[in-house]
Amino acid sequence: GQQVMQIPQYQHVQEGEDFTTYCNSSTTLSNIQWYKQRPGGHPVFLIQLVKSGEVKKQKRLTFQFGEAKKNSSLHITATQTTDVGTYFCAGHGNQGGKLIFGQGTELSVKP
Amino acid sequence: DAGVTQSPTHLIKTRGQQVTLRCSPISGHKSVSWYQQVLGQGPQFIFQYYEKEERGRGNFPDRFSARQFPNYSSELNVNALLLGDSALYLCASSLAGPYEQYFGPGTRLTVT
Repeated sequence: GQQVMQIPQYQHVQEGEDFTTYCNSSTTLSNIQWYKQRPGGHPVFLIQLVKSGEVKKQKRLTFQFGEAKKNSSLHITATQTTDVGTYFCAGHGNQGGKLIFGQGTELSVKP
Repeated sequence: DAGVTQSPTHLIKTRGQQVTLRCSPISGHKSVSWYQQVLGQGPQFIFQYYEKEERGRGNFPDRFSARQFPNYSSELNVNALLLGDSALYLCASSLAGPYEQYFGPGTRLTVT
């Protein structure tokens, strides 16, 4: 079945450093979504990418969808303590319906 | 506008018992999905319902079932509870299937 792998599992950075998490799917995705979950909270939607090679920016966050629509990345520039949490990618296959999440990357930021 | 609501917030059950979890979607959202999240892992897809019909099912045993009501609220039922069913159960609503999911706060289920 469809699998979504995410690396790294953990990332510890100093405040001000950059951070990147990578997402890879075993099958082509119709879209890729990114979510952030704070400790003790629930996933919160960040963005959706649909087109091959698409790049979207939200302030210090840059999201990319690969040309083959099988991989994606999230890059945070100059991390802040408010960026702490677990970042998940999630993708829909071509049949829609089932949204498959990666294992997440837990980001900790040291002030 | 109210977000996705779930009840109860926490639940403690004994092995072999049955549990029903409830979810109310955001007003106007017709799709509800259920996920199981074990500590340290990503949410695992259980079911998706759209317009009261099942549109997707994850790799969960038949002990798990769900339904969606005419007002688009939903229930997740789990029979014959096992210790391994202990998890955070998340409900998410969306306008339709492949759109962004808005998650509720979850129900923390502990099976002893």
